Amino acid sequence: KNEVEQSPQNLTAQEGEFITINCSYSVGISALHWLQQHPGGGIVSLFMLSSGKKKHGRLIATINIQEKHSSLHITASHPRDSAVYICAAGGNQFYFGTGTSLTVIP
Amino acid sequence: SQTIHQWPATLVQPVGSPLSLECTVEGTSNPNLYWYRQAAGRGLQLLFYSVGIGQISSEVPQNLSASRPQDRQFILSSKKLLLSDSGFYLCAWSVGSRGAGEQYFGPGTRLTVT
Repeated sequence: KNEVEQSPQNLTAQEGEFITINCSYSVGISALHWLQQHPGGGIVSLFMLSSGKKKHGRLIATINIQEKHSSLHITASHPRDSAVYICAAGGNQFYFGTGTSLTVIP
Repeated sequence: SQTIHQWPATLVQPVGSPLSLECTVEGTSNPNLYWYRQAAGRGLQLLFYSVGIGQISSEVPQNLSASRPQDRQFILSSKKLLLSDSGFYLCAWSVGSRGAGEQYFGPGTRLTVT
């Protein structure tokens, strides 16, 4: 069993839909990270959070420390949101999920 | 502003050849530096972590080594490449405690070992 599990693995949505990607982890963490990897391979850090909720534009990340669960939400999805979204649990080590591949269709 | 550079962007090397990938960071001092590998169809794997010059932690036993000769320079090396070393190599930096600092990633090097 992986230390970080993401679901779904693949997701296809119509433009404008509300999207949720889930992440569960089994290790102790200092922070939970959400990363975005575009088709060319470049990775951008979206969020780093240790409690509660953070919002950047149409992206919202939440974490429940007791349940060891985090969600990434995208409101009013757009084709440019198409990417792989990676959850990472950061503690003494970094543990990465295998990513959720999102395709938003116009 | 901070910038992270990696080179080369792509590399094709034969099995048994040496490897040297370089990463440099600008605009910050004493960063934590990381080397990651992403094999085809797999998630990111942390290879090496450094909190300072000459201080390297290896996360996974492997055919690779890392060095940090200067504060903002991180080098990934191999004496003899294996086919299994193929993948996408990413350098990243952060400040603050390990795991709790926001990570900033370089553009990556796509390595194909033939």
